[in-house]
Amino acid sequence: TQLLEQSPQFLSIQEGENLTVYCNSSSVFSSLQWYRQEPGEGPVLLVTVVTGGEVKKLKRLTFQFGDARKDSSLHITAAQPGDTGLYLCAGAPSYNTDKLIFGTGTRLQVFP
Amino acid sequence: SAVISQKPSRDICQRGTSLTIQCQVDSQVTMMFWYRQQPGQSLTLIATANQGSEATYESGFVIDKFPISRPNLTFSTLTVSNMSPEDSSIYLCSSGGSSYNEQFFGPGTRLTVL
Repeated sequence: TQLLEQSPQFLSIQEGENLTVYCNSSSVFSSLQWYRQEPGEGPVLLVTVVTGGEVKKLKRLTFQFGDARKDSSLHITAAQPGDTGLYLCAGAPSYNTDKLIFGTGTRLQVFP
Repeated sequence: SAVISQKPSRDICQRGTSLTIQCQVDSQVTMMFWYRQQPGQSLTLIATANQGSEATYESGFVIDKFPISRPNLTFSTLTVSNMSPEDSSIYLCSSGGSSYNEQFFGPGTRLTVL
């Protein structure tokens, strides 16, 4: 069974601080996605990374896929209250399936 | 990306009753999925809704408890049957089937069972 462990589980920071969320597995994924979910809403896709070592930037958010495609990180620069939410990584298994394996989640709270 | 709506957005139900949740996609999609989520926690896949055939259930979920319909490529329903307080949760549907298994989610249905 492929698992994705995220760390930290909870993160509470002040506006302007930087943070990194990690998503780790012992299994290889063909691609990996990051989602953000706000209370009362469904998860929203932020980015998909496909190639080992790939780095993608989305404004203040930087996403990296590990060289071996087993892990990923999300770095937020100068966090803002609007970044508050539940961050979920999700991997597409290397075997043939349409399903996603979701990470354990990181709850981020950014205080003004 | 697909736009997905769900009905109802929330409901409070009595134990022993059943609730059917509807999921509508604004375009035809090959794959639809149903998840359960406790507030603030990750998603647990219940089943994959297949058009024209029976849904594929994950370990721990059975058709008698969570019957699913998928009459066409834009619509699916999930029924939570014979509910108990343990079924209180957020139920989410999503569409998938893209090259990288990307999924797009509905806003969720918050279910409370008394």
